[in-house]
Amino acid sequence: AQSVTQLGSHVSVSEGALVLLRCNYSSSVPPYLFWYVQYPNQGLQLLLKYTSAATLVKGINGFEAEFKKSETSFHLTKPSAHMSDAAEYFCAVSVQGAQKLVFGQGTRLTINP
Amino acid sequence: EPEVTQTPSHQVTQMGQEVILRCVPISNHLYFYWYRQILGQKVEFLVSFYNNEISEKSEIFDDQFSVERPDGSNFTLKIRSTKLEDSAMYFCASSERDTKTQYFGPGTRLLVL
Repeated sequence: AQSVTQLGSHVSVSEGALVLLRCNYSSSVPPYLFWYVQYPNQGLQLLLKYTSAATLVKGINGFEAEFKKSETSFHLTKPSAHMSDAAEYFCAVSVQGAQKLVFGQGTRLTINP
Repeated sequence: EPEVTQTPSHQVTQMGQEVILRCVPISNHLYFYWYRQILGQKVEFLVSFYNNEISEKSEIFDDQFSVERPDGSNFTLKIRSTKLEDSAMYFCASSERDTKTQYFGPGTRLLVL
């Protein structure tokens, strides 16, 4: 069975600082990995996805994530935080042949002016 | 840009009542999903639907729940006799194929009193 752990339920960074949101996964077969963002009172929007192509994946709004098989990680980064990045971020995993996404518990990102 | 839509955005119901949550998936998508997010908890998979039948479901999706695609565009989740613990945000999602990216709607916030 697949699972996802997001380290840190809350992360706070200053505007302009590096954003690092951590995600570790567990899967017995090669995974597909996703990051979704949820802005207040909105649904889940896809930020980026890894589906066994390039290990460094670029997404929308300047975010990127690197798949590291040896560390079973898929951390999300952005070089310079913007106030508009304040939201909840969810890491999710699925595998070929399974239809469901398994989500982490989410990380709430706060940006300080 | 095509998107998944959901109605209503909010619903309040009395315990024991039936509710139907509605979704219009993206038009060329073939796989449809329901997830829920209890306040402060993870997004949890409920059910996936393909070719007019349930293809996968979670333990949460018991006999009180049902899904239907009554016509060529709508996808519904019915809860027959709501319980207090059914209070949650319910997300509909759709994808072109089972391994393709799932696109989420804005959610329906259900409150059971």
